[in-house]
Amino acid sequence: EDQVTQSPEALRLQEGESSSLNCSYTVSGLRGLFWYRQDPGKGPEFLFTLYSAGEEKEKERLKATLTKKESFLHITAPKPEDSATYLCAVSRGGRSNDYKLSFGAGTTVTVRA
Amino acid sequence: GAGVSQSPRYKVAKRGQDVALRCDPISGHVSLFWYQQALGQGPEFLTYFQNEAQLDKSGLPSDRFFAERPEGSVSTLKIQRTQQEDSAVYLCASSFATGGNTIYFGEGSWLTVV
Repeated sequence: EDQVTQSPEALRLQEGESSSLNCSYTVSGLRGLFWYRQDPGKGPEFLFTLYSAGEEKEKERLKATLTKKESFLHITAPKPEDSATYLCAVSRGGRSNDYKLSFGAGTTVTVRA
Repeated sequence: GAGVSQSPRYKVAKRGQDVALRCDPISGHVSLFWYQQALGQGPEFLTYFQNEAQLDKSGLPSDRFFAERPEGSVSTLKIQRTQQEDSAVYLCASSFATGGNTIYFGEGSWLTVV
């Protein structure tokens, strides 16, 4: 069974204080690792897809990296508008399974001005 | 439409009542998914459609849950004889294809069973 574990559960940051979120995964043949942002009362909003170890992707103050066992979401100089729950998900390789996402429980980030 | 559209956004049902949740995916998206999200948890997979064919319903919690997509576009998730444990956010998502394609989520339908 695929397992996705995110840490920490919650993170409180001062504006400008950079930090990292961790996503550890166990999956039989990773097809893709996905990061989503979810605001209260909203659906998950797509951020990144990573496919292979060593891959990195950036978007504004966010950078996602991937190793064979975990992914990190780095938040550089965060602003209050970066406050949200960040969800990590994996899909398994193989045509019969690659559509299904297994999610972690998320990390709730609060950035204080 | 520009994004995945779901209705109703909020539904309060009395225990034992039947409910129907509607999803209008992004135009042209072949794949459609339903997920269930409990408070403080990540979404859990319920079912998957490719066009009108339901290819995987392994995540549906019980036979009270039923999903359909008869014309390969709009989908409906139906829950019969609702129970309190059915209270959750039901998220619909769509993608152009599968195989690692980006999956886009709607805002969700918040179901509360009282």
